[in-house]
Amino acid sequence: GDSVTQMEGPVTLSEEAFLTINCTYTATGYPSLFWYVQYPGEGLQLLLKATKADDKGSNKGFEATYRKETTSFHLEKGSVQVSDSAVYFCALSGGGSYIPTFGRGTSLIVHP
Amino acid sequence: EAGVTQFPSHSVIEKGQTVTLRCDPISGHDNLYWYRRVMGKEIKFLLHFVKESKQDESGMPNNRFLAERTGGTYSTLKVQPAELEDSGVYFCASSLGLAGTQETQYFGPGTRLLVL
Repeated sequence: GDSVTQMEGPVTLSEEAFLTINCTYTATGYPSLFWYVQYPGEGLQLLLKATKADDKGSNKGFEATYRKETTSFHLEKGSVQVSDSAVYFCALSGGGSYIPTFGRGTSLIVHP
Repeated sequence: EAGVTQFPSHSVIEKGQTVTLRCDPISGHDNLYWYRRVMGKEIKFLLHFVKESKQDESGMPNNRFLAERTGGTYSTLKVQPAELEDSGVYFCASSLGLAGTQETQYFGPGTRLLVL
């Protein structure tokens, strides 16, 4: 079945550092790919998405490119802020199912 | 506009007891979903309501779990009797149309359940 693998956390960075959170997937067909973010005490929010190969999703300074050849959707941000501290979930949906398949989540901690 | 709300935010119970979780979706959202995240693992789908009907309950782990959505508004998820492995965070989400590429699910903050 479909699966999503993302790097284990926590990822600890200083403010203004470069962020990469790796995400790879296994799926039949051509899924859509998502990054969700969960800030402390809040629900998951859709951060960005990409629906086909080579698409780049972006939002709030975060970017991720749908790489079909490497089945990856890595999340990047050039300069993180303390307010970016949260848990980030990579997810996919498709192949006839509208229910997303999530990864395990990666906790990001940004220090001032 | 109020988002998806869940109650309680935390619950600690003993094995064998009963717990009922509640979810209030965004007003007007016909689609309501329950998910669960066991500590450190993936968020797993439990079931999906369209209005008051169960559209997909393929993710429900066993018959100790009972979900209802009477009247097509709020939903409850009852665990009876609770077991240790039921511990985790239970998320509820709602969407106006069927979730997918073009339709966003809005998640609640979750209920953290600990079974001792």
